[in-house]
Amino acid sequence: SQQGEEDPQALSIQEGENATMNCSYKTSINNLQWYRQNSGRGLVHLILIRSNEREKHSGRLRVTLDTSKKSSSLLITASRAADTASYFCATEFGANSKLTFGKGITLSVRP
Amino acid sequence: KAGVTQTPRYLIKTRGQQVTLSCSPISGHRSVSWYQQTPGQGLQFLFEYFSETQRNKGNFPGRFSGRQFSNSRSEMNVSTLELGDSALYLCASSLFGLSGANVLTFGAGSRLTVL
Repeated sequence: SQQGEEDPQALSIQEGENATMNCSYKTSINNLQWYRQNSGRGLVHLILIRSNEREKHSGRLRVTLDTSKKSSSLLITASRAADTASYFCATEFGANSKLTFGKGITLSVRP
Repeated sequence: KAGVTQTPRYLIKTRGQQVTLSCSPISGHRSVSWYQQTPGQGLQFLFEYFSETQRNKGNFPGRFSGRQFSNSRSEMNVSTLELGDSALYLCASSLFGLSGANVLTFGAGSRLTVL
């Protein structure tokens, strides 16, 4: 079963707008990661936030983590057409660092 | 630095056949994970190998198996193929470096179609 669930399932915005994607999970985690996938290709790691962190930034990406609510959000600021892709949250948990993914969010950025 | 290489990229099989997929991780990466991706189920974890030992396993039937060799290359095998096995199979390797986190580098995938 999926550990993480993303919300919404699909998001369509205009270029230049911000995109916010959410992820909820069920059990305690070591860290939470976000990945991007373009057109059925392999996933690319974007950003990682550890369980003792609350916010991380990387370029136009900002991720937050609320362990009390077991949720995370990914904000992409000033979106571009090239940001069109599927985004997945992944949770790492357990002593063996198992990493499981949600079903993903499809982001469409209109030029 | 070469990325994660998966072969073959595309293959077509018929029900009842078996298939073997190969994955060469990034040099120095000792962990290899396999995922099945379908439109309905998303990314499902199959198994992970670390230093030739299966360390994590997902909830797939025994028809799905894997192994890792001493050079960290990995193979996964699916026997008695079913139509529902049609999917993109993704392999990913991980360094588990100083950060200690399991950050994955994915290959482009092997797209399996079962007829």
